[in-house]
Amino acid sequence: NIVLTQSPASLAVILGQKATISCTASESVNKFGINLMHWYQQKPGQLPKILIYNEFSRAPGIPARFSGDEAELNFTLTIEPVEADDVATYYCQQGLTFPYTFGAGTKLELK
Amino acid sequence: EVQLVESGGGLVQPGRSMKLSCAASGFTFNNYDMAWVCQAPKKGLEWVATISYDGSSTYYRDSVKGRFTISRDNAKSTLYLQMDSLRSEDTATYYCARSKDYGYNYFDYWGQGVMVTVSS
Repeated sequence: NIVLTQSPASLAVILGQKATISCTASESVNKFGINLMHWYQQKPGQLPKILIYNEFSRAPGIPARFSGDEAELNFTLTIEPVEADDVATYYCQQGLTFPYTFGAGTKLELK
Repeated sequence: EVQLVESGGGLVQPGRSMKLSCAASGFTFNNYDMAWVCQAPKKGLEWVATISYDGSSTYYRDSVKGRFTISRDNAKSTLYLQMDSLRSEDTATYYCARSKDYGYNYFDYWGQGVMVTVSS
């Protein structure tokens, strides 16, 4: 199984500053040149919502403040500038092979 | 507008069965793979099972293999999850989710979720 190690578990950021969340995959999630790594946002009491798919593509309606990147199996979700509405838990997920796996989540709070 | 509406959750005793349903609307149901994803209380997301667009292929996480069965009725645009031999560790909110096509395999639409509590 592909293990996704997410860090940090929680993150406190000042409004307007940058938040960086990491997700390291235990093996490649690349298929035909596309990294099948996806990011979700889950606000308290709400259902998950897709933010970023295929490493860096923003889902419809997602603002440019959210971006995805990758460097040697280490995937990064960046939020800049952080807004109050971004308080949520963020999860990475790989779509390369079954079982599809999620990271453990990163809880973003405001400092 | 895409809508996924789950039903069938509740309290069930260990060892018993429960069947979840997910009614889909707003898109051509038989064009998409569908999945169940669960979330135990205060825990993270876990993929449970996926069924192909035509029902010919199914995939399960190891902990539910042989106990859960995912199925679909394309004529009714409905997804199902039959859960047998339930255990306390199956207690979770179960989300029905649409799996994005083109082989990208992410979940672009989610239902509101249905709570399943396994307890005596």
